[in-house]
Amino acid sequence: GESVGLHLPTLSVQEGDNSIINCAYSNSASDYFIWYKQESGKGPQFIIDIRSNMDKRQGQRVTVLLNKTVKHLSLQIAATQPGDSAVYFCAEMSGGSSYKLIFGSGTRLLVRP
Amino acid sequence: DAGITQSPRHKVTETGTPVTLRCHQTENHRYMYWYRQDPGHGLRLIHYSYGVKDTDKGEVSDGYSVSRSKTEDFLLTLESATSSQTSVYFCAISEGQGAYEQYFGPGTRLTVT
Repeated sequence: GESVGLHLPTLSVQEGDNSIINCAYSNSASDYFIWYKQESGKGPQFIIDIRSNMDKRQGQRVTVLLNKTVKHLSLQIAATQPGDSAVYFCAEMSGGSSYKLIFGSGTRLLVRP
Repeated sequence: DAGITQSPRHKVTETGTPVTLRCHQTENHRYMYWYRQDPGHGLRLIHYSYGVKDTDKGEVSDGYSVSRSKTEDFLLTLESATSSQTSVYFCAISEGQGAYEQYFGPGTRLTVT
């Protein structure tokens, strides 16, 4: 598959543990945030999103936390499974009318059996 | 991949030749996007479309043009391919109407020799 990133930060976790992937964003005017998962050789897959009027949102086994004060976003994955191994990207959007996302460089998650 | 196809999936071409990549969607979404993905740079927006015949530039638009003559198709053209355009190209769609999440196609790997 394609090499998504040669020097990506990597998080290694034991299967069954919880994972926390962090993302710092730069634009204080950003009002929408989204997390994607990308497996080798595939396109990014939508995981969960959050708007700036919220500080937490939960999905199935995933939670996104937003701290606007320090411009920080995190993705928590509960009971991490081998199938969660992938590269995870956060993205931000500023101004609802633009419909354009700005992507971070990604974090590689490795799940140890 | 949310009713999005890209063609071709792989292409090798020579410097100076024209190349057209096609994105086709069956979701009737208003917005369509072209990104490129390179190691160390994440996903970068090339061009996007907010309706038939309505397009705008992204952050890395030099050397690329796009066209959208109908809702379901968004074409990306490299008028004269260069080695720096070797990359993986992803198409994405979003519904608009306040729904900001983007859904990605499977990607096209382009190699310019």
